[in-house]
Amino acid sequence: DTGVSQNPRHKITKRGQNVTFRCDPISEHNRLYWYRQTLGQGPEFLTYFQNEAQLEKSRLLSDRFSAERPKGSFSTLEIQRTEQGDSAMYLCASSLGKGTLKYEQYFGPGTRLTVT
Amino acid sequence: QQQVKQSPQSLIVQKGGISIINCAYENTAFDYFPWYQQFPGKGPALLIAIRPDVSEKKEGRFTISFNKSAKQFSLHIMDSQPGDSATYFCAPVDSSYKLIFGSGTRLLVRP
Repeated sequence: DTGVSQNPRHKITKRGQNVTFRCDPISEHNRLYWYRQTLGQGPEFLTYFQNEAQLEKSRLLSDRFSAERPKGSFSTLEIQRTEQGDSAMYLCASSLGKGTLKYEQYFGPGTRLTVT
Repeated sequence: QQQVKQSPQSLIVQKGGISIINCAYENTAFDYFPWYQQFPGKGPALLIAIRPDVSEKKEGRFTISFNKSAKQFSLHIMDSQPGDSATYFCAPVDSSYKLIFGSGTRLLVRP
């Protein structure tokens, strides 16, 4: 399977704990995006990387959130001191970022976070 | 601010019927207009997309109609099937290539 993969698929954590999610993009894609989706809503942009550089962060991304993409390969999204409002589906997408396919983003299955 | 308004919120169609979902946007800098399909528990999947220099694009049973002056685009699903039951999102692309999703339309196709 050469699609976008995300791990874990589900995470249940207690309020105040730290969690980390991983995304492995399609191998030749240089752009990687993180989105958050709450129940019944469309995904909302959080941040994106071009190769290893983090180029934009949404104001939705509070100081408790941090994302990395070391060496321009996989990416991690960490949430510190989780709150119940962080409960959502965290989606990762990747794109080629150039040429005629630059706009096409391919999503992973998401990580469902539940904060109790 | 709500840059993208999608309607209807939900839609029920009989098998074989036509499903129509609409999207209105504000940002004239949007440069690519995709529709995504999402099944429960899955990530969104790119269904069909159109560039702003084209007024219509058809792929199988799916058609996008684009009206640049009205800042609207719509998805038409012909011969709707129960397997098309899913949530559909319009998600125009902004200048930094990120998707700006609408609120979604939950489609149910009855057998």
